[in-house]
Amino acid sequence: KAGVTQTPRYLIKTRGQQVTLSCSPISGHRSVSWYQQTPGQGLQFLFEYFSETQRNKGNFPGRFSGRQFSNSRSEMNVSTLELGDSALYLCASKGPITSDADTQYFGPGTRLTVL
Amino acid sequence: DQQVKQNSPSLSVQEGRISILNCDYTNSMFDYFLWYKKYPAEGPTFLISISSIKDKNEDGRFTVFLNKSAKHLSLHIVPSQPGDSAVYFCAASGNQFYFGTGTSLTVIP
Repeated sequence: KAGVTQTPRYLIKTRGQQVTLSCSPISGHRSVSWYQQTPGQGLQFLFEYFSETQRNKGNFPGRFSGRQFSNSRSEMNVSTLELGDSALYLCASKGPITSDADTQYFGPGTRLTVL
Repeated sequence: DQQVKQNSPSLSVQEGRISILNCDYTNSMFDYFLWYKKYPAEGPTFLISISSIKDKNEDGRFTVFLNKSAKHLSLHIVPSQPGDSAVYFCAASGNQFYFGTGTSLTVIP
């Protein structure tokens, strides 16, 4: 079955603008998590959505927000972009109760550059 | 507050030899641990996992060892191949997933 897809793959914005990233999970997966990856910082957890509800949130400012739709697709929005928001944004989905229910599967990421 | 740590940013190994990647964690409530492999410009790919009720899990050339008393896990790759060159992240599952900062493995032909 198809993997996690993210759009767009690359994005260039300027400071002060806002951006919306999209993620489509693996079919049947209802949990979607978002991560920010910057050099030397590993993957920093942003938030997790499950059945259209935010289930968990990391330590990011309120400029970072997300939502999930009834088809489990998720969007992440960053408002008032700052230079430090330049990063690879990764989406991961997790499945229903199966043998790999605790395993997240990642999309290819969206590379955001803020100028 | 880094709950999962990978203290070696990089590792170089000769092809055919064993690669050992290490990871330490601080929270004894973590019940599931995973290793991911990441190539540049791609998302992490799941490699292997282990439940906290086990101390070893093997999948082909990859073996993960868990030492709960030391809060330490390691990934062994035997034999190492040039295609294994990538960044490896360990992760722990609690109320959310916690990732280490990664170890860049280079396998020298």
